[in-house]
Amino acid sequence: TQLLEQSPQFLSIQEGENLTVYCNSSSVFSSLQWYRQEPGEGPVLLVTVVTGGEVKKLKRLTFQFGDARKDSSLHITAAQPGDTGLYLCAGDMNYGGSQGNLIFGKGTKLSVKP
Amino acid sequence: ETGVTQTPRHLVMGMTNKKSLKCEQHLGHNAMYWYKQSAKKPLELMFVYSLEERVENNSVPSRFSPECPNSSHLFLHLHTLQPEDSALYLCASSQEWRGASPDTQYFGPGTRLTVL
Repeated sequence: TQLLEQSPQFLSIQEGENLTVYCNSSSVFSSLQWYRQEPGEGPVLLVTVVTGGEVKKLKRLTFQFGDARKDSSLHITAAQPGDTGLYLCAGDMNYGGSQGNLIFGKGTKLSVKP
Repeated sequence: ETGVTQTPRHLVMGMTNKKSLKCEQHLGHNAMYWYKQSAKKPLELMFVYSLEERVENNSVPSRFSPECPNSSHLFLHLHTLQPEDSALYLCASSQEWRGASPDTQYFGPGTRLTVL
């Protein structure tokens, strides 16, 4: 059983378009992280959200943590070819503290064409 | 060098070979991790070391044997692997394991392993 479901699995769009990817679970997480992984590299942390309902912005990327801390979304405005990569969400179930063991989703593979 | 480095970047081995993957972190972190990344599956945590002591072993077959000689180095010794073990093996480090607040894991570039 997949604990963290990411959708869509694949997304191919044109430069300048907007997009949203989702990370859903029936479990509650103490925090949730989003990573981007480029081909031939390891994942790189983009953001950590901790509070239910929290919204964080990183330039053209907007991250939201669901009120019940079971889901999250990543919205990209005016996508650019440099945004191409695998976007992974990872949840931490260790309350009152930091990540013990992160649970990862399968990822959304994004391709932005010029 | 900075960050987390892994060697080799690519490895092809037969099922009877013995090989080792190496990870080194230059961040002064206390926790190190091995993950397996296969196509169509989520990143799977294999082992966690905190202050050079193994704290997690997620039902990983014994043909994978980790070693952490000090807080900067982590090895994964491979023996009698199967073709289904072919994957990207990622090493990561973080300041603490189960610390007081959300921490960041820094990943290496991975070793692409192919078992023939």
